[in-house]
This record gives sequence, structure tokens and C-alpha cells, in this order.
Amino acid sequence: KAGVTQTPRYLIKTRGQQVTLSCSPISGHRSVSWYQQTPGQGLQFLFEYFSETQRNKGNFPGRFSGRQFSNSRSEMNVSTLELGDSALYLCASSLAGEAYYGYTFGSGTRLTVV
Amino acid sequence: DAKTTQPTSMDCAEGRAANLPCNHSTISGNEYVYWYRQIHSQGPQYIIHGLKNNETNEMASLIITEDRKSSTLILPHATLRDTAVYYCIVRVGGGATNKLIFGTGTLLAVQP
Repeated sequence: KAGVTQTPRYLIKTRGQQVTLSCSPISGHRSVSWYQQTPGQGLQFLFEYFSETQRNKGNFPGRFSGRQFSNSRSEMNVSTLELGDSALYLCASSLAGEAYYGYTFGSGTRLTVV
Repeated sequence: DAKTTQPTSMDCAEGRAANLPCNHSTISGNEYVYWYRQIHSQGPQYIIHGLKNNETNEMASLIITEDRKSSTLILPHATLRDTAVYYCIVRVGGGATNKLIFGTGTLLAVQP
């Protein structure tokens, strides 16, 4: 059974550019969440999608956005990149809307902004 | 979601049981206790969760006190590969949101 797949694994971008990260959840999982991890702030929730609808959003600026497709695959976009956006971006999927089952996380995309 | 308190770090000898405590004194009746761990540079891995009864799976056991104000994650025979940051999270199971709030966790170092 394939796990959560995030692409690309590593990315280097320049300040001011934009970036799109992709997440393919486990087959059958309809809930996809995104997290940002930095040494200073730890793991922080970005947003969650369920059945193509954003259900919850963390405390991040509008430069961070996302979407979910009908096949449950999700993308997140960061526009006008800043140095502080350098982080490990993690995607997690869950079987259903409820969190009884626990999340399965991907290995992440490590974004470096120079 | 209730706040959790965990020790910053712990050591454990290989082959011995690792007991990781978590305090959640403000937990509500409908909140579950979840444990995840994160091995360096990987995504967090779900370990176990429970509401009020003790739980056991192939990875670990979860002991929740009767008043539910604290819990302990037990790795029965720790190996070097169990060295990781362990996160205790308390949240409502179900509802309209699946947001996890991660604290700073406990860095467990398993020593040979």
C-alpha cells in the first residue's frame, strides 16, 4: 500500500518567486492537511482540506494557499517567497473527516529560499 | 484543544522499557490523547491514541490515568531506531476539524 507521496523532495527558490508543492494521499483518504516545520517554530498547522473544501486554516499570511482536487490530491502554493519560508513542508492524510484513525504523514518537501 | 506538558528530553538504555510521560490536566471528556514520533528529517509517525482505557498495539502501550490528567507512552523494548522526538497531542476525536497542535515534544535518546 503506497504511503503519502510528496513532490518534490527538495526545492531551492529565490526570494520573490512562487512555489507549488504537491501531495498525493493514501488511496481512499479524503482528508489532507499541510504543516510547516522550522527549527524556531516547530510544527505548525497550515490548512486542511476535505472533499475539495478547505475546512480549517492556520495562522499564516495569505501568501500561503492550497487546494484539493477531486481525486483528493492536494497542492499548496506560496507566492512572493521570503527567506523565512525556508522549511520542511509536510502533508498528512487521514481516512475520513474524523481524526480517530490518526494521520499518515509524507516525508515532506524541504524548501530553501535564497 | 487541551495543552500538554512533556519533558524536553529523556535517555533510555537499549532493550529497556522507555516510559514517556505527558501531562494534560485540562483535558475535556471528549478529547483523545494521541502520540506521534518524528525521526530526524522524516514526517511524524502515528503511534497510538486513546480516550480513557489503556491501549496497546504492535508499537507501544498507552496508559491513561483514571482522572485522565496524565498519560504515559511505553515502548516495551527500546531500540536505537526508537531515538526520535515524541509528541503527545490532546484533541477532540471527530468534528469539523482535523488540526493537530504539536508542542515541543520529548527527545528520546536510546543509548547502546
